[in-house]
Amino acid sequence: DSGVTQTPKHLITATGQRVTLRCSPRSGDLSVYWYQQSLDQGLQFLIQYYNGEERAKGNILERFSAQQFPDLHSELNLSSLELGDSALYFCASSVGHGGTDTQYFGPGTRLTVL
Amino acid sequence: GQSLEQPSEVTAVEGAIVQINCTYQTSGFYGLSWYQQHDGGAPTFLSYNALDGLEETGRFSSFLSRSDSYGYLLLQELQMKDSASYFCAVRGMDSNYQLIWGAGTKLIIKP
Repeated sequence: DSGVTQTPKHLITATGQRVTLRCSPRSGDLSVYWYQQSLDQGLQFLIQYYNGEERAKGNILERFSAQQFPDLHSELNLSSLELGDSALYFCASSVGHGGTDTQYFGPGTRLTVL
Repeated sequence: GQSLEQPSEVTAVEGAIVQINCTYQTSGFYGLSWYQQHDGGAPTFLSYNALDGLEETGRFSSFLSRSDSYGYLLLQELQMKDSASYFCAVRGMDSNYQLIWGAGTKLIIKP
């Protein structure tokens, strides 16, 4: 158990809908990262927040947005969902905002868009 | 830009030794990490190399050669539970020091 929690574990929805994925980092970690992993693929970095502020952006679509709240939990919002958005979405956390920081991953949310 | 290459699949026998290679291309290299991911599970951190040489942690070792832009993960005394995908990931200036991940190597272990 990494100490990072994600809800929900599974989500099934229809095209065009909007969903929100939630992540709580490990106690004491200030950074939260969001990743997308499609079937049998590597991880695609989406976005990072550090202590409430956006720190870095990866290949995040305009239909996707995220935020980190004062209690450091984070939410990833996915809207106008398409079939291709079906994937595992992981949240990770680390103490700092880069460098040698080890990232600890949550169990993931499996999103299925029908 | 940044890129990483690692074999898509490696097969080995229980009790043996296996090496998973990773070559990378990036500017402003800032470290090579290895993560393990079991099917349906979350990636878990295995090792990190910022400097040339070998880092050993139990049955697992990781090696880095910055001049060759190359690293490998060595797994010894393979156990069935080591069957998983292994990802190398690199931090570099190109990605604003975010981790860029390889596509992963699926390790299949046979009894």
